[in-house]
Amino acid sequence: GAVVSQHPSRVICKSGTSVKIECRSLDFQATTMFWYRQFPKKSLMLMATSNEGSKATYEQGVEKDKFLINHASLTLSTLTVTSAHPEDSSFYICSARDLGTSIVQYFGPGTRLTVT
Amino acid sequence: AQSVAQPEDQVNVAEGNPLTVKCTYSVSGNPYLFWYVQYPNRGLQFLLKYITGDNLVKGSYGFEAEFNKSQTSFHLKKPSALVSDSALYFCAVSMNTGFQKLVFGTGTRLLVSP
Repeated sequence: GAVVSQHPSRVICKSGTSVKIECRSLDFQATTMFWYRQFPKKSLMLMATSNEGSKATYEQGVEKDKFLINHASLTLSTLTVTSAHPEDSSFYICSARDLGTSIVQYFGPGTRLTVT
Repeated sequence: AQSVAQPEDQVNVAEGNPLTVKCTYSVSGNPYLFWYVQYPNRGLQFLLKYITGDNLVKGSYGFEAEFNKSQTSFHLKKPSALVSDSALYFCAVSMNTGFQKLVFGTGTRLLVSP
């Protein structure tokens, strides 16, 4: 149980284009989902917290208009990187949890974004 | 503010020997503590957590961790390391408020040699 998937696992896009990453909880309802960014050999940096049906809460320094987050259902959250630039290249990881039943965050396998 | 320190960038141990990966934390209040493991180009896998109760917590794959409130530590341990345990290990802390966001340490790479 507690499986989280991400799609795509890898994406290459051109500078100036937008990329959407999906995060799904496969066998539980995720009232809360989190989006992280991980740089090479570095820890995870929380970007934002999203709750189903409401606006995401962004961490300080994260541009809301650049990293659009939608948590449209209890099993799906999306992160859209708009007008991507090479400096947005990174490993993006989502996590999900059911706030009512568990304190554990379960992580997706990550998405490697390369902007050329 | 919460913070987590993992003082070792890398831990080397021979297969069959016991391993310890260190973690200390700083919070105001009672923390929730977690260990996650990450294999190359993958997300994080949950290993174990401490919420309350017994200070020794047992988790997946034979790992355990000991919560020490006086030393504000939560070291990860395993009695006998396997080569397949080689990975990146993250300690994390959250509080029982709001969304219970996780704050991660910088990670410790564990290398188990045959």
